[in-house]
Amino acid sequence: AQSVTQPDIHITVSEGASLELRCNYSYGATPYLFWYVQSPGQGLQLLLKYFSGDTLVQGIKGFEAEFKRSQSSFNLRKPSVHWSDAAEYFCAVGTSNSGYALNFGKGTSLLVTP
Amino acid sequence: GAGVSQTPSNKVTEKGKYVELRCDPISGHTALYWYRQSLGQGPEFLIYFQGTGAADDSGLPNDRFFAVRPEGSVSTLKIQRTERGDSAVYLCASSLRHTSETQYFGPGTRLLVL
Repeated sequence: AQSVTQPDIHITVSEGASLELRCNYSYGATPYLFWYVQSPGQGLQLLLKYFSGDTLVQGIKGFEAEFKRSQSSFNLRKPSVHWSDAAEYFCAVGTSNSGYALNFGKGTSLLVTP
Repeated sequence: GAGVSQTPSNKVTEKGKYVELRCDPISGHTALYWYRQSLGQGPEFLIYFQGTGAADDSGLPNDRFFAVRPEGSVSTLKIQRTERGDSAVYLCASSLRHTSETQYFGPGTRLLVL
């Protein structure tokens, strides 16, 4: 069955430290991969996306993600976290078979400490 | 330009009542998606439209849920005989086409069924 897994429900990081949020997927077709961020009371905002080409993708707010087909992963990274990055992060996968309707992971809640 | 808008932002209703949730997509976007996000979960796909037609309604949980998009722009999600389990945030997203285009999300309608 098609699935998206975010293994970490909560992550706590000190401000200025590096961050990696994990995402694994299980799909038969070639997936299109996304990371969205959701702040309290806010809508979902796209951080970055991967469709094809270079497997290292740059996004907004200093985020990047790397698509690793052999590991079925699309982990999100940021070299230095800011307090304003505290939010819920969602990995999502779409395929042409589904009309690109997105299948979301359950999310990772990021807490940033001083 | 204006983003995706959803009305109402909050809706409280009683069990058994009928509700309508409205989505106004970004102008010119032909693809429109509805998702439902329960507390502590990622959004779950409900239905997507390409133009006026529902191209995929496989995510609708049962026949109490129905959605229309009669003129290919505004969409209405309709829920009959609401149940407490329908309480969630209902998200709408639109994209330029039903291809690999980015989906832009609205702020959601928070539905509470008492």
